[in-house]
Amino acid sequence: GAVVSQHPSWVICKSGTSVKIECRSLDFQATTMFWYRQFPKQSLMLMATSNEGSKATYEQGVEKDKFLINHASLTLSTLTVTSAHPEDSSFYICSASKVLAGETDTQYFGPGTRLTVL
Amino acid sequence: AQTVTQSQPEMSVQEAETVTLSCTYDTSESDYYLFWYKQPPSRQMILVIRQEAYKQQNATENRFSVNFQKAAKSFSLKISDSQLGDAAMYFCAYRSARTNAGKSTFGDGTTLTVKP
Repeated sequence: GAVVSQHPSWVICKSGTSVKIECRSLDFQATTMFWYRQFPKQSLMLMATSNEGSKATYEQGVEKDKFLINHASLTLSTLTVTSAHPEDSSFYICSASKVLAGETDTQYFGPGTRLTVL
Repeated sequence: AQTVTQSQPEMSVQEAETVTLSCTYDTSESDYYLFWYKQPPSRQMILVIRQEAYKQQNATENRFSVNFQKAAKSFSLKISDSQLGDAAMYFCAYRSARTNAGKSTFGDGTTLTVKP
């Protein structure tokens, strides 16, 4: 199997507060995880690549101080939206790469987290 | 940089019929992977099918098959015997094979409606 979970699935917060989203690979180890942002009926926009034990690689235009990523273990990556504002409201999706010797590594996705900032 | 283009924002198909979703990509690499993902209303991304560029044989998964034309840089998805549960947004994705667990480039998606 290849199951990825996200927590929470839905969060509402006040403007100025910070929110942490967890992404876990439940039945495999993932050295690499990805964080995406998705607006309704649009494609996934890659925010950053999270590598276990090292700093995340952020895509151009993504504020690394605002979107803090930590990949402390082979099964857990976290995204913290700091000082959230209404424009940060979105659907955030993580994925984890399952790499097996002799097989094509494939990204498996979490169910997503809907963030609403009031 | 690689780009992925899905030229059909919306498609519809009658239940039990066949539909083909288009995808083209642009790359200078020779070794890469291609994927189709399905995103139903629940918004959970689900892998439908994958294709390694070095394989000439088209990938198939039950009712889903691809037409991979490497020279034309085309990667279409055919859904046979369409079912109501196939209704979703479908994304085509490209990933380089240069490194393991590299990032993917996604197309803009095609929304598929299945009519009963």
